Amino acid sequence: QLQLQESGPGLVRPSETLSLTCTVSGGSISSSSYYWAWIRQPPGKGLEWIGSIYYSGSTFYNPSLKSRVIISVKMSKNQFSLNLSSVTAADTAVYYCARADVNNWFDPWGQGTLVAVSS
Amino acid sequence: EMVMTQSPATLSVSPGERATLSCRASQSVSSNLAWYQQKPGQSPRLLIYGASTRATGIPARFSGSGSGTEFTLTISSLQSEDFAVYFCQHYNSWPLTFGGGTKVEIE
Repeated sequence: QLQLQESGPGLVRPSETLSLTCTVSGGSISSSSYYWAWIRQPPGKGLEWIGSIYYSGSTFYNPSLKSRVIISVKMSKNQFSLNLSSVTAADTAVYYCARADVNNWFDPWGQGTLVAVSS
Repeated sequence: EMVMTQSPATLSVSPGERATLSCRASQSVSSNLAWYQQKPGQSPRLLIYGASTRATGIPARFSGSGSGTEFTLTISSLQSEDFAVYFCQHYNSWPLTFGGGTKVEIE
């Protein structure tokens, strides 16, 4: 059974870079059948897709975040990562990683990790 | 960018009753629509994809319908474990976007 687990700092200072890693177990990140995605949810609010990466390295980003986002894959560790630069309080959210079918619905999701942006 | 609008924001239903949730897309997304359920403190769970196909392990009381711009998620007989927030998501084009959610609460 595929499982995803987010990891990274729970607190990031304003203007710095938020860095998270998603570790995939029970399956290979190098499968050609899937994308790997980051999605976030501010406290009490809805879901926002951040971006997705294909095993080949092709990336797709939300235009609203594109200038600040980099998603990368680490095949040897079966991980993929999110870097979000120049963060502000508006970036405070639960960050989820998820597998996306090539048609781009998300299943399964990681448990999520809360990242607060504060000085 | 595709805007997904869900209604109502909150739906109050008694256990055993039927719940009907709506999702509208600002442009046609064909049948490229998914539904998710999220319970407090949990990550979302895929219920429906392709507008009407139940994901693995999802009970038959959940059904999806629609195409183009109008979609419906129906829960035929609400169980206690179904009280949650439901989100729709299109995957017709980049960027992928979600609706704002419908909270199904106990009446």
